[in-house]
Amino acid sequence: KQEVTQIPAALSVPEGENLVLNCSFTDSAIYNLQWFRQDPGKGLTSLLLIQSSQREQTSGRLNASLDKSSGRSTLYIAASQPGDSATYLCAVTNFGNEKLTFGTGTRLTIIP
Amino acid sequence: EAQVTQNPRYLITVTGKKLTVTCSQNMNHEYMSWYRQDPGLGLRQIYYSMNVEVTDKGDVPEGYKVSRKEKRNFPLILESPSPNQTSLYFCASSLGTNSGNTIYFGEGSWLTVV
Repeated sequence: KQEVTQIPAALSVPEGENLVLNCSFTDSAIYNLQWFRQDPGKGLTSLLLIQSSQREQTSGRLNASLDKSSGRSTLYIAASQPGDSATYLCAVTNFGNEKLTFGTGTRLTIIP
Repeated sequence: EAQVTQNPRYLITVTGKKLTVTCSQNMNHEYMSWYRQDPGLGLRQIYYSMNVEVTDKGDVPEGYKVSRKEKRNFPLILESPSPNQTSLYFCASSLGTNSGNTIYFGEGSWLTVV
């Protein structure tokens, strides 16, 4: 059974710093890995999707990497801003089904 | 505007009183799914549907039913709600999660069962 872990559960950094969020998964037989953002009381917004054949994806100040063999992904946020404060979740889709398995998320706070 | 719409957004109900949470998407997506989100447990899939009249159990289907009679709608039914079904529920849709397509989430439905 796929398990997805995100450590730390919470992170606070000063505005302007670069930061890395981590995601690990136990079963490397995945179709893709996605990073989502969730604001308090809101739904999830997809940020980046990495196919299993890819090693990274970039969107603006965000860069996500995937190392399938080691079961790890990172989300790099450059020049952090207070508006980046949110909970970030990663999720993987395994071969053979359409199910997303989510991590429990990292709650990020950017301190002005 | 691409949307996944859930109703109601907030509901307090009593144990055993049947309720339905509706979900509708306007993107002609084939894949739809329901999740519940609980503190410390993250999002867990309840049911999913790959297309009309095709539904499958997720990780935590007990106590829930779904139907997919039309492509755009995927209601979640709690026949006899219990307090352990108090949770935040999300509906989601996409063209298909294993094909690199973006998945869209609704805003969530807060359900309290007393």
